[in-house]
Amino acid sequence: SQTIHQWPATLVQPVGSPLSLECTVEGTSNPNLYWYRQAAGRGLQLLFYSVGIGQISSEVPQNLSASRPQDRQFILSSKKLLLSDSGFYLCAWSEKRGSTGELFFGEGSRLTVL
Amino acid sequence: GIQVEQSPPDLILQEGANSTLRCNFSDSVNNLQWFHQNPWGQLINLFYIPSGTKQNGRLSATTVATERYSLLYISSSQTTDSGVYFCAVNNNAGNMLTFGGGTRLMVKP
Repeated sequence: SQTIHQWPATLVQPVGSPLSLECTVEGTSNPNLYWYRQAAGRGLQLLFYSVGIGQISSEVPQNLSASRPQDRQFILSSKKLLLSDSGFYLCAWSEKRGSTGELFFGEGSRLTVL
Repeated sequence: GIQVEQSPPDLILQEGANSTLRCNFSDSVNNLQWFHQNPWGQLINLFYIPSGTKQNGRLSATTVATERYSLLYISSSQTTDSGVYFCAVNNNAGNMLTFGGGTRLMVKP
């Protein structure tokens, strides 16, 4: 069966420091991969999605970037964190071929920028 | 883009009560999912239901695609049902879900 993991689960970083959140999917190949952010409150906002290695699309302009160095690995990065980058970050995946589009989420990474 | 509205935004129930959560969307969809976000933040898949009715234990969901809404029913609620319930939809081939604002449910013992 397919599984998705992301880490670290919790991160406290100073303003101006770099960031790297990692997500991996097991049990499938060539998935679509996504990074969502949930700010304080409740709404989820799509940040990036990827349909293949090296293919990244950004939904909103921001201080963050994403990379997909391997088929089942998705990384969220920043060179210099801002206070406004604090939030709960969720990685997700979906099948591609013959897909219903059903989305599955990782456990989430809670980032606090001080 | 497609708009998704959920109601009510907040709901407090006594344990054992039943409830109905609603999701309205502004365009036709080819994917609709209901999620439960537990107190630790994890999003749990409840239903994939672009149309029709499904049931899983005390939970059931109905989507009326022609009228652009979906309902999530929770029967005999338990304290473990507390959390935020999200509806999410997409209407394009990119499989990018748009989320509603959620319904925050608190079930009191």
